[in-house]
Amino acid sequence: SQQGEEDPQALSIQEGENATMNCSYKTSINNLQWYRQNSGRGLVHLILIRSNEREKHSGRLRVTLDTSKKSSSLLITASRAADTASYFCATDAFIIQGAQKLVFGQGTRLTINP
Amino acid sequence: DTGVSQDPRHKITKRGQNVTFRCDPISEHNRLYWYRQTLGQGPEFLTYFQNEAQLEKSRLLSDRFSAERPKGSFSTLEIQRTEQGDSAMYLCASNPAVEADEQYFGPGTRLTVT
Repeated sequence: SQQGEEDPQALSIQEGENATMNCSYKTSINNLQWYRQNSGRGLVHLILIRSNEREKHSGRLRVTLDTSKKSSSLLITASRAADTASYFCATDAFIIQGAQKLVFGQGTRLTINP
Repeated sequence: DTGVSQDPRHKITKRGQNVTFRCDPISEHNRLYWYRQTLGQGPEFLTYFQNEAQLEKSRLLSDRFSAERPKGSFSTLEIQRTEQGDSAMYLCASNPAVEADEQYFGPGTRLTVT
């Protein structure tokens, strides 16, 4: 079952604009990750934020985490056509012996128009 | 290339046939995961291996599904008596046992059951 929801489900913006995607989750977490998936391909890890962090940056990416609201946001600044993809948030769920499975949201389909 | 590889990339089969997929993780990673992703959804966890031991299975993994990792290196996922509902992308991911939060995904195997 999905951990939570992402909002919006689809987003279309012009190249150069900023894109913001939101993720809500249901249970307590150790960390939250964002992944990107180009059409028909595997997932690529973008950034991880731990539960004791509130904000993290990586290049044009900015992630925030609000554990009191069980929500996170991913901001992509100065978007490029190559950013067109689906973006998923994933929370960790303990399996066994320190291993964790990822529990994904439904994703946001981002389209950057040239 | 030292990433996770999966074979085949695409498989079309008729209902009732058996199919087998292969995943080769990153060589030093002893943790291996299988996920299934249906159209428009995020990936869902199927099963987890630590070395050759299968330590966790989702209830999504019906008795028609079996996974192995015989020597703790590559893994296979077999689906017997395929059904149209098995049509999905099957993703493999791996990570090392130490400081392992991020998972490294392969390109996936797209299964179409006709």
